Amino acid sequence: DGGITQSPKYLFRKEGQNVTLSCEQNLNHDAMYWYRQDPGQGLRLIYYSQIVNDFQKGDIAEGYSVSREKKESFPLTVTSAQKNPTAFYLCASSTGTGAHYGYTFGSGTRLTVV
Amino acid sequence: GENVEQHPSTLSVQEGDSAVIKCTYSDSASNYFPWYKQELGKGPQLIIDIRSNVGEKKDQRIAVTLNKTAKHFSLHITETQPEDSAVYFCAPPQKLVFGQGTRLTINP
Repeated sequence: DGGITQSPKYLFRKEGQNVTLSCEQNLNHDAMYWYRQDPGQGLRLIYYSQIVNDFQKGDIAEGYSVSREKKESFPLTVTSAQKNPTAFYLCASSTGTGAHYGYTFGSGTRLTVV
Repeated sequence: GENVEQHPSTLSVQEGDSAVIKCTYSDSASNYFPWYKQELGKGPQLIIDIRSNVGEKKDQRIAVTLNKTAKHFSLHITETQPEDSAVYFCAPPQKLVFGQGTRLTINP
């Protein structure tokens, strides 16, 4: 079955460490996204990519980095520069970033700084 | 950029009653209007969507209505059941922005 897979489901990070969250899709979707969700809050866009080897910053890109070397993969690195990284991270994909495309979301990664 | 406002932020209804959530947007160019449901600890899931050339779409107990003149679209859930308890998000994806979400609780 086609879908979008995020791993790991839970991740613990020590202060000062970089961590990378994985996101893989086999839906042949061109666009991929990373959102951050804090408890009781909505979704805030971190980065998005419309095509391989290209990506754009979202509203809260500071302290994060991404790459898009393959169509299927869009990993997110949370760097030590991100001051408050504890959150639920959601990856999504869509057939395009135009006006007619719904998102398919992964099941999320819960990151906790210890 | 796009400004999306979703109301109410929380909604509690008795099982069997109806629930309505409204989303107001600012970009008149928006022409695709989806609703997502997020259960606890999971990613959101697209449950229904509507395009700008229609005013209403139904899928069993859920429906979405669109008022382009007033720039709002609404999610309607009838005959609510306990499994409808979740957080619901609206999103006009043209600008990649989501509403703040509505926490819907169905009371038995």
